[in-house]
Amino acid sequence: NAGVMQNPRHLVRRRGQEARLRCSPMKGHSHVYWYRQLPEEGLKFMVYLQKENIIDESGMPKERFSAEFPKEGPSILRIQQVVRGDSAAYFCASSPPEGYNEQFFGPGTRLTVL
Amino acid sequence: AQSVTQLDSHVSVSEGTPVLLRCNYSSSYSPSLFWYVQHPNKGLQLLLKYTSAATLVKGINGFEAEFKKSETSFHLTKPSAHMSDAAEYFCVVSGAGGTSYGKLTFGQGTILTVHP
Repeated sequence: NAGVMQNPRHLVRRRGQEARLRCSPMKGHSHVYWYRQLPEEGLKFMVYLQKENIIDESGMPKERFSAEFPKEGPSILRIQQVVRGDSAAYFCASSPPEGYNEQFFGPGTRLTVL
Repeated sequence: AQSVTQLDSHVSVSEGTPVLLRCNYSSSYSPSLFWYVQHPNKGLQLLLKYTSAATLVKGINGFEAEFKKSETSFHLTKPSAHMSDAAEYFCVVSGAGGTSYGKLTFGQGTILTVHP
């Protein structure tokens, strides 16, 4: 059973460009979570999604950030008009419906904004 | 609201000696508590979890943690450190219900260094 997959593993963008981060949950998992790890800071929750629904987006910045988890395909975290402060490691986690509080993490995408 | 405090940002031990990583939590609900480990430039791996069953929880690689409600603590221990244990460790709390549903709150992390 393949684990949580994230791609790309490393992403370089110039200021003002868009970044798209993808996450494929483990097989059978219908819940997806995104976390951000900023330099010198801990991991912070961003958003919790189920298929076609955003359950909790209390950790998402109000502007430029959006997330989706469509019926088919991976979950996408989209950052528009990136700024240097967006440089961070972005981790995706997934969980099965019955074990929502045990989350399995992917390897992360490291975003660098030049 | 929920929060977690890791009392040491760095811990250094010699190989073969015991490891103690300290964690205190705060939660408005009956919490679920976890320890995750992150090796450099890697993702996070679950070491162990507490979900209101036995208060002494055994995890992978010889780690264990004890839930103490009276002290609101969930310290991580290992009897004998191995070089491969060098990594960053995160204490994590998850509530149930309300706005904490599905949301993990991470401590600031403790970097464990193991000397030969």
